[in-house]
Amino acid sequence: DAKTTQPNSMESNEEEPVHLPCNHSTISGTDYIHWYRQLPSQGPEYVIHGLTSNVNNRMASLAIAEDRKSSTLILHRATLRDAAVYYCILRGNSGGGADGLTFGKGTHLIIQP
Amino acid sequence: DAGITQSPRYKITETGRQVTLMCHQTWSHSYMFWYRQDLGHGLRLIYYSAAADITDKGEVPDGYVVSRSKTENFPLTLESATRSQTSVYFCASSETGGRWGETQYFGPGTRLLVL
Repeated sequence: DAKTTQPNSMESNEEEPVHLPCNHSTISGTDYIHWYRQLPSQGPEYVIHGLTSNVNNRMASLAIAEDRKSSTLILHRATLRDAAVYYCILRGNSGGGADGLTFGKGTHLIIQP
Repeated sequence: DAGITQSPRYKITETGRQVTLMCHQTWSHSYMFWYRQDLGHGLRLIYYSAAADITDKGEVPDGYVVSRSKTENFPLTLESATRSQTSVYFCASSETGGRWGETQYFGPGTRLLVL
């Protein structure tokens, strides 16, 4: 899987939007962009994923650059419960079988009250 | 709506002992995974299973054994625990195992300390 680059940490205020960037300049045409997050002392949880178009769900929005070399996870109104490590992960087609997710170090999001 | 559960949640053992970590999912997902999480390494895949009686190695399988006699259970055994296996272990499952749009669902983790 291609590599992603994320800032080590970001800080935001409660009830404000948060934009978490991810660079993936070596992304291939068939790679999906996935975001997971891990709250303190919990297992990772799925947030959102997309291929080319921007995506929205109840948790967040995913904005994908036109050249697909970067993407941004948007939390529209952060709460204290959104404080977590956010992982941007690329997933391609192995052509068969399954592989695990490749987690980098992610972005540690700090929410200030 | 139990989802995916792990037991025990916390375990302390001694070097050389056998330890089994349990994972159970209620979705009838075909694929199940075991990861370990250590400071400085992120999550790393230990083993995965595509279906009952089908398992395969991940990135760091040495020292671990898995089995999958039933779809819903995927136990991980440390046959002779070592201090380097002190870690947080996460089990996950997914419906198809396909790499594109697949979502993996994680359990709450087991914190293992090997003395």
